[in-house]
Amino acid sequence: GAVVSQHPSWVICKSGTSVKIECRSLDFQATTMFWYRQFPKQSLMLMATSNEGSKATYEQGVEKDKFLINHASLTLSTLTVTSAHPEDSSFYICSATALGQGGYEQYFGPGTRLTVT
Amino acid sequence: AQSVTQPDIHITVSEGASLELRCNYSYGATPYLFWYVQSPGQGLQLLLKYFSGDTLVQGIKGFEAEFKRSQSSFNLRKPSVHWSDAAEYFCAVLTGGGNKLTFGTGTQLKVEL
Repeated sequence: GAVVSQHPSWVICKSGTSVKIECRSLDFQATTMFWYRQFPKQSLMLMATSNEGSKATYEQGVEKDKFLINHASLTLSTLTVTSAHPEDSSFYICSATALGQGGYEQYFGPGTRLTVT
Repeated sequence: AQSVTQPDIHITVSEGASLELRCNYSYGATPYLFWYVQSPGQGLQLLLKYFSGDTLVQGIKGFEAEFKRSQSSFNLRKPSVHWSDAAEYFCAVLTGGGNKLTFGTGTQLKVEL
């Protein structure tokens, strides 16, 4: 149980275009999903918290107009990188929260590798 | 501010040897602590977590971790490492009112056969 999927797993796009990444909780409903960004050989940095039916909460320094997050249902959150540039190339990981034995736990998706050329 | 420090960027051990990965945290209240493992190009898998109670926590894949409040540490251990344990390991603390994870910088584990 508690499986999170991401699509696509790998995407290449040209500079100036937009890319949408989907995050789905496959066997549970997630009122809260998180989006992280991970640079090569570095840690995960939280970008935003996505709550179903409401606006996402962005971390300091994250451009909300560039990284559009939509959480339209309890099983789907999307991250759209608008007007992508090479510096947006990164590994994007989402997570979804579910109630576990010890409280809410985060379950992570496999990640999406974005390369902007 | 809450933070997590993993002092070792890289660690190399021989297969069958014991392993200890260090994690130190800075958090005002009682921390909720986690260890995750990430294989190349993949998301994170939870190894174990500490919320309260017994300070020695058992996890999956033969891993355990011990919470030491006096040392602000939550080190991960395994008595005998397998080649398949080679991966990146992240320590994390739950912050932000209980729903945000702050990650350490990670420790890359290499296993020599």
